[in-house]
This record gives sequence, structure tokens and C-alpha cells, in this order.
Amino acid sequence: GENVEQHPSTLSVQEGDSAVIKCTYSDSASNYFPWYKQELGKRPQLIIDIRSNVGEKKDQRIAVTLNKTAKHFSLHITETQPEDSAVYFCAGSGFQKLVFGTGTRLLVSP
Amino acid sequence: DAGVIQSPRHEVTEMGQEVTLRCKPISGHNSLFWYRQTMMRGLELLIYFNNNVPIDDSGMPEDRFSAKMPNASFSTLKIQPSEPRDSAVYFCASSLVVNQPQHFGDGTRLSIL
Repeated sequence: GENVEQHPSTLSVQEGDSAVIKCTYSDSASNYFPWYKQELGKRPQLIIDIRSNVGEKKDQRIAVTLNKTAKHFSLHITETQPEDSAVYFCAGSGFQKLVFGTGTRLLVSP
Repeated sequence: DAGVIQSPRHEVTEMGQEVTLRCKPISGHNSLFWYRQTMMRGLELLIYFNNNVPIDDSGMPEDRFSAKMPNASFSTLKIQPSEPRDSAVYFCASSLVVNQPQHFGDGTRLSIL
């Protein structure tokens, strides 16, 4: 089955800096890769997703890139703000269930 | 759109008691997922349904856990008997089909004393 690894587990940046979170997956059949943001005490919320037929997708300050050959994908947040502080989860899926990474705690300091 | 609705939001009960968690998926969504989240184990998929049929229950930790989906708008996760190590936040999520964005409910914070 699918296995998704995520790193780093924690990431501290200064406000205005960029943040990058990386994930790798094992199943070459996986074709759907969402990213979720979870604030303390709240539910995970989808922030961006990408399918295997594209290499990059952007939505304002966030972007996701996918390298199918290397089986890894990354989340990029530019011009970080304190409200970006949260736990971010990547996930991968073929035609079956989503498998989540272990999460990255992002702390953006003012 | 009301989103995925879970109840109760919080549950505190004593070891050995039966616990029932409830979920109403988004109308029109055909796939429903139950997750458990703890600090130690992260976000774990327990079971998921497609068109009300359980597809994969390999994440259900023990026979004490059971889940049902009697119709397209309601699902339950039951723990009987409950144990302190079952304490966690339980999330329900739904999606149009399996390989589509999942929308999470607000979760049930379960504490077993």
C-alpha cells in the first residue's frame, strides 16, 4: 500500500520568509495529492491539491509542485504571516484511500 | 452547505462504557471516512465507506470498534467496551467519490477515564 513520508516535523520561520514542506510517496499509481492545514483544536482543512497530470499549481501565496519520477511533492508558502502558523499535512491517493503524512508544525514569528 | 456534522463535540465517559459517535456527511457525497487523531500516532484512517458499503476497515484497531452507515446521510462509530487508550479526537470526513477532496467535520474529542 501507499506510504507517505513528510519532513520536516517542525519548521520555524520569520514573518515574510518562505516555507517549504516536502513529502515523498511510495506507490507510483498514486495520482492525487492534497495538502491540509490544521489549526490548534480545529479540523483539517484542504488548502490546495494537485493531480499527477500537472507539475505545479498555485493559489495566491501557496503553491504545490509534483515530481512523479522522484515520487515527491512539496508545499511552498511565500511571504509567510503569523496566521500561517499551524500543522500542515500532505497526503497521497491512487484510486483508494488517502494516506496522510505525519504533519509539519509551522511556526511563523512576527 | 452545512458541511460534515459530527456529534457529540466532546464526550467524557468511564472505562467500559459504550461510546457512539455520529456523523452526517455533506449531501451528495458518496464516500465517508472515519479518522482518529492522537499526538503519538497522528491522523489514522479507521474505516471508509463508498455508497454506504464498508470498503476498507483495516485501520479499525480492535473488535471493540465497529462502524455502520445505514443510509447516505448518517454513519456511526461505536466503541464497546471503551478503554482509556481510546482517548483521541475522532474525525469524520466525506467526499464526492474516494479520490476527491475530503471535507472534515469538527471532530469529537473523546476522553475515557
